Amino acid sequence: EVQLVESGGALVQPGGSLRLSCAASGFTFNSYWMAWVRQAPGKGLEWVANINRDETERNYVDSVKGRFTVSRDIAKNSVYLQMNSLRVEDTAIYYCARDETHYDGSAYYDGLDIWGQGTMVTVSS
Amino acid sequence: AIQMTQSPSSLSASVGDRVTITCRASQGIRNDLGWYQQKPGKAPKLLIYAASSLQSGVPSRFSGSGSATDFTLTISGLQPEDFATYYCLQDYRYPRTFGQGTKVEIK
Repeated sequence: EVQLVESGGALVQPGGSLRLSCAASGFTFNSYWMAWVRQAPGKGLEWVANINRDETERNYVDSVKGRFTVSRDIAKNSVYLQMNSLRVEDTAIYYCARDETHYDGSAYYDGLDIWGQGTMVTVSS
Repeated sequence: AIQMTQSPSSLSASVGDRVTITCRASQGIRNDLGWYQQKPGKAPKLLIYAASSLQSGVPSRFSGSGSATDFTLTISGLQPEDFATYYCLQDYRYPRTFGQGTKVEIK
């Protein structure tokens, strides 16, 4: 079964750090880009970051640049989100997702086709 | 960052209705757009990629259209399981950006 399972969410004080993990199974992990998406309580979805297959490219939303780092471990079939200098506004459910690329013969298109169940991060004093 | 504006923010509809949700990009994004469905307490689900390509396993009553700045998600014959919140996501440029969501409620 194709599956993503996140872990590592917790209650942390402002300025603190946390590392989220996402374990992949059921597919060839190193063939896919991976992404993180978050959702603040009662709010919409926000794309946070992604990473390519060999860790040579990482992209971030501006609000987390310099504070969050996305990485992956092929041997462990896992992707991580290291979150430093956490702020109250980082409080959210964090989802990891598989970023599938489709090619129609002339162009590439992305789609977040597999999602984990999410892990809750609460930043509060 | 590219801004994605969805409309309406919510709508009420009945089973069997045809529902249309629109998404407008602040600049041209070719057809680099996906549509996602999210039910309460659940992770989002990919419905459409490349503006109009149906993701495997998604019912054919869902369809997408549009290019450049204006896009549409249509549900032809709303089913009880379709009551959810729908989001568009542009994958043309980083950072990727979602629309604010459209909640489809039962009339």
